[in-house]
Amino acid sequence: KQEVTQIPAALSVPEGENLVLNCSFTDSAIYNLQWFRQDPGKGLTSLLLIQSSQREQTSGRLNASLDKSSGRSTLYIAASQPGDSATYLCASSVQGSSNTGKLIFGQGTTLQVKP
Amino acid sequence: DAGVTQSPTHLIKTRGQQVTLRCSPKSGHDTVSWYQQALGQGPQFIFQYYEEEERQRGNFPDRFSGHQFPNYSSELNVNALLLGDSALYLCASSSASGANVLTFGAGSRLTVL
Repeated sequence: KQEVTQIPAALSVPEGENLVLNCSFTDSAIYNLQWFRQDPGKGLTSLLLIQSSQREQTSGRLNASLDKSSGRSTLYIAASQPGDSATYLCASSVQGSSNTGKLIFGQGTTLQVKP
Repeated sequence: DAGVTQSPTHLIKTRGQQVTLRCSPKSGHDTVSWYQQALGQGPQFIFQYYEEEERQRGNFPDRFSGHQFPNYSSELNVNALLLGDSALYLCASSSASGANVLTFGAGSRLTVL
């Protein structure tokens, strides 16, 4: 059974700082891994998706890496801004569910970027 | 181009009642998945509908049921509501050929008193 864990649960940093959010998963037989952003009381916005054959994906100030052998993914945010304040969730899609939409989510890391 | 639309946005029910939540998928998507997100937790997969049939189900009791219509929209029904059913219910749509790329709606916030 796939389990996804995110550490830390909460993080507060000053504006401009570079930061890393961590995600670990127990079953390395993943189809892909995704990072989402969730603003309070809102739905999820997809940030980055890494296929199992890939090592990283980049979008603007965001970079996500994937290491299946160690069961870890990281989301790197460069030059953080107050607008980055949100909860960040990682989710894995295990093999065999490639088109079933079944994602296993971590509990999220709530980020606060202080001006 | 409208994304995923969910209704209602908020609702309050009492224990034992029944609730129906609705979801319209993003244009071009034919698959709908439902998730339950309790406060402070990550979303948990309830089930997915494709071609008007339930294709996969998570670890939820039979009180949770769903339906998909020919226009790909979907409903989530929860019977005999419990206090623990209070949560944000998220609908996500995707294309069967879309490599598991999901688009999420804003959710329906259910409070059970």
